Amino acid sequence: NAGVMQNPRHLVRRRGQEARLRCSPMKGHSHVYWYRQLPEEGLKFMVYLQKENIIDESGMPKERFSAEFPKEGPSILRIQQVVRGDSAAYFCASRPGQGDEQYFGPGTRLTVT
Amino acid sequence: AQSVTQPDIHITVSEGASLELRCNYSYGATPYLFWYVQSPGQGLQLLLKYFSGDTLVQGIKGFEAEFKRSQSSFNLRKPSVHWSDAAEYFCAMNYGQNFVFGPGTRLSVLP
Repeated sequence: NAGVMQNPRHLVRRRGQEARLRCSPMKGHSHVYWYRQLPEEGLKFMVYLQKENIIDESGMPKERFSAEFPKEGPSILRIQQVVRGDSAAYFCASRPGQGDEQYFGPGTRLTVT
Repeated sequence: AQSVTQPDIHITVSEGASLELRCNYSYGATPYLFWYVQSPGQGLQLLLKYFSGDTLVQGIKGFEAEFKRSQSSFNLRKPSVHWSDAAEYFCAMNYGQNFVFGPGTRLSVLP
């Protein structure tokens, strides 16, 4: 059973470009979480999704950021018009249901130049 | 508000010494509790978890943690640290659909 997969592992974007981060949860997992980790900081919750539904996006900036988890395919975190402050590691985690631990992907390290 | 605190930002121990990393949570009931470890440039790996039952839980890599309801704590321990244990350690709690992570404790190990 493959773990949580994220791609790309490293992403470089110029200011104003769009960044698309992909997360494929573990097989059988229908719950996906996205977190952002700034250098020397802990994990900050961004959004929680189930298949085709956003359950909680309270941690996501109101502008430029969006997330989806379609019926087929990976979950996508999309950042439009990136700025330098978006540079961070973005982690995806999945779990099969409530009451279970999260399994983390290796992260995507976004660098905005 | 629900929160997880890790009072120690950075701890340094000598190889072979014992280790205790502190974690306190704030929640009205007993949440599910976790410890994760993150090596540089890597994702988070689950060390152990507490859901209910025995308050002393065993994890991977020789780690254990003890849940103390009276102190709202879930401290991580290891009797003898190895150089490969140098990493960032995160305590986390889960209640319902929410996960809250502590700020992390960085562990350095001296040879």
